[in-house]
Amino acid sequence: ETGVTQTPRHLVMGMTNKKSLKCEQHLGHNAMYWYKQSAKKPLELMFVYNFKEQTENNSVPSRFSPECPNSSHLFLHLHTLQPEDSALYLCASSQTVRQETQYFGPGTRLLVL
Amino acid sequence: AQSVTQPDIHITVSEGASLELRCNYSYGATPYLFWYVQSPGQGLQLLLKYFSGDTLVQGIKGFEAEFKRSQSSFNLRKPSVHWSDAAEYFCAVSAGTYKYIFGTGTRLKVLA
Repeated sequence: ETGVTQTPRHLVMGMTNKKSLKCEQHLGHNAMYWYKQSAKKPLELMFVYNFKEQTENNSVPSRFSPECPNSSHLFLHLHTLQPEDSALYLCASSQTVRQETQYFGPGTRLLVL
Repeated sequence: AQSVTQPDIHITVSEGASLELRCNYSYGATPYLFWYVQSPGQGLQLLLKYFSGDTLVQGIKGFEAEFKRSQSSFNLRKPSVHWSDAAEYFCAVSAGTYKYIFGTGTRLKVLA
């Protein structure tokens, strides 16, 4: 595998479910990001991790819980989501959090029923 | 506050025609500028970026973009569009950190 991979690619969950999104980067980067992409809205940065440490939580509701066990893996744990959380969730990575190019994964399309 | 505007929500061109997608930004200093492309069901792929130097930047898939400081613009161009270029294109600006500001995107349709 090369680049940034995300699993699952599609996820349907009820509002009472708990699920997790996984992201893995094979680029040797040290910074990883979660973005939310909703229809007709700009990409929203959710969380930033640098060398496994969270450096930004962009006022994201607590029903989204990130985890970064190492510089190559990033998870987004989901629980008690709302229908308005349905979106494409994109993971990205960059060499560091400084002025660096970000590389994106294919995303997980989430539908909350 | 920084912002990025992509004034065209949809653009339709015929295959083989030239293409220009507009991007205007608002930022006090010289920003770092990016163009990404997103095919249906896919993530964002970097087309090209401008950090400094030559204001005409070459990217992948035959795309280029020109940074015009006086117009606060970073328009994307391609001389001859292929059907496979149909996708959504995003312009982004970075002010010196990881905080990218993305435009709302331009969806390109290519007619055979």
